[in-house]
Amino acid sequence: DTEVTQTPKHLVMGMTNKKSLKCEQHMGHRAMYWYKQKAKKPPELMFVYSYEKLSINESVPSRFSPECPNSSLLNLHLHALQPEDSALYLCASSQVTGPLGDEKLFFGSGTQLSVL
Amino acid sequence: AQSVAQPEDQVNVAEGNPLTVKCTYSVSGNPYLFWYVQYPNRGLQFLLKYITGDNLVKGSYGFEAEFNKSQTSFHLKKPSALVSDSALYFCAVSLYGQNFVFGPGTRLSVLP
Repeated sequence: DTEVTQTPKHLVMGMTNKKSLKCEQHMGHRAMYWYKQKAKKPPELMFVYSYEKLSINESVPSRFSPECPNSSLLNLHLHALQPEDSALYLCASSQVTGPLGDEKLFFGSGTQLSVL
Repeated sequence: AQSVAQPEDQVNVAEGNPLTVKCTYSVSGNPYLFWYVQYPNRGLQFLLKYITGDNLVKGSYGFEAEFNKSQTSFHLKKPSALVSDSALYFCAVSLYGQNFVFGPGTRLSVLP
């Protein structure tokens, strides 16, 4: 199994809603990532978990709250989002053989989020 | 800080012709270099990477890339383009212990 599975594929939410994005992988990868991608732009790193611990938070607003309940799952909890948060949210995973940076990322297909 | 440039927003090539997608980088050290491809409404897929060793790296789907340290470049190439190669291509660079920085992307269109 070399897949990263993200659900839902599409999500529409109002600015007062609370929703969660889910990501799952069964490749035994111990690093998991959340990226945000606007249309026709490169992915921007949001969070990195290494061995289920948050290792990088790229100054993301607190309305985005990540969670890594176990080594296979990664969630992104959303609350009080703004319309400018509309984007494709990508989950990725990688092996951890040493410090980050030299292992390829496996990406999910993403969740297309629209905030109204 | 590391940065990545992809000087062409769009590359058009006829099917069967060779293709090149350009990437240059700026880092203060020895970089790890990657190419990823993204099809519409999908996540990124890994194509190839350079860590050390032979400057010519071969990857998935017949793609290859050449690391040129003096020119700080890592151009993606394929000898014969297919229509199915049409997609968005991202070059990425990282340093030991740090995370990836993606280039702005180049849209490749292969015309039948």
